[in-house]
Amino acid sequence: DTGVSQDPRHKITKRGQNVTFRCDPISEHNRLYWYRQTLGQGPEFLTYFQNEAQLEKSRLLSDRFSAERPKGSFSTLEIQRTEQGDSAMYLCASSIGTANEKLFFGSGTQLSVL
Amino acid sequence: DQQVKQNSPSLSVQEGRISILNCDYTNSMFDYFLWYKKYPAEGPTFLISISSIKDKNEDGRFTVFLNKSAKHLSLHIVPSQPGDSAVYFCAAQRPGGTSYGKLTFGQGTILTVHP
Repeated sequence: DTGVSQDPRHKITKRGQNVTFRCDPISEHNRLYWYRQTLGQGPEFLTYFQNEAQLEKSRLLSDRFSAERPKGSFSTLEIQRTEQGDSAMYLCASSIGTANEKLFFGSGTQLSVL
Repeated sequence: DQQVKQNSPSLSVQEGRISILNCDYTNSMFDYFLWYKKYPAEGPTFLISISSIKDKNEDGRFTVFLNKSAKHLSLHIVPSQPGDSAVYFCAAQRPGGTSYGKLTFGQGTILTVHP
């Protein structure tokens, strides 16, 4: 069990550019979640996958955001035409997908849009 | 609409004393609650959880209390240690398979434990 890993740890980009983040969950975990955390706030749910199927997207996830989880393994989160308001910590988490279980979080990707 | 609130942005305690972190929620549908700890530049780490069928859960130095009628939970750390200094988040989850893992977090409380 190597934990949830995210890449890159930090990303600085200019407004209008596209960025992509990667998340590798714990290998036996079926569910993968993306959360976003801004300064002074707790993490907010964005979307989640059950294996390769994306089952729900929060209304926080605008059309500029897209997430994939091909083959039910790693996941990518892409933000197109970034805006300064997209600056945040993007957290990935995974779990087996049963009742009342904990999520295992990665260290996050800190995005700064200039 | 902030459904989970941690009204104390920060808490400072002396090493060896008790730390009490509080959390209030407004959605009566929540039935599972968790506490996470977060160090700078790291992701949240699970601490302890409690189901709504219980009013107390204990794990070593950490105890979580749930008062459903008041929609309030608290985390007690006894004794507090300098290594406990971190941001603490409470989180809540609704029942049902599609809700597993969809956590609603509070804003966090920064705990500082002084030697």
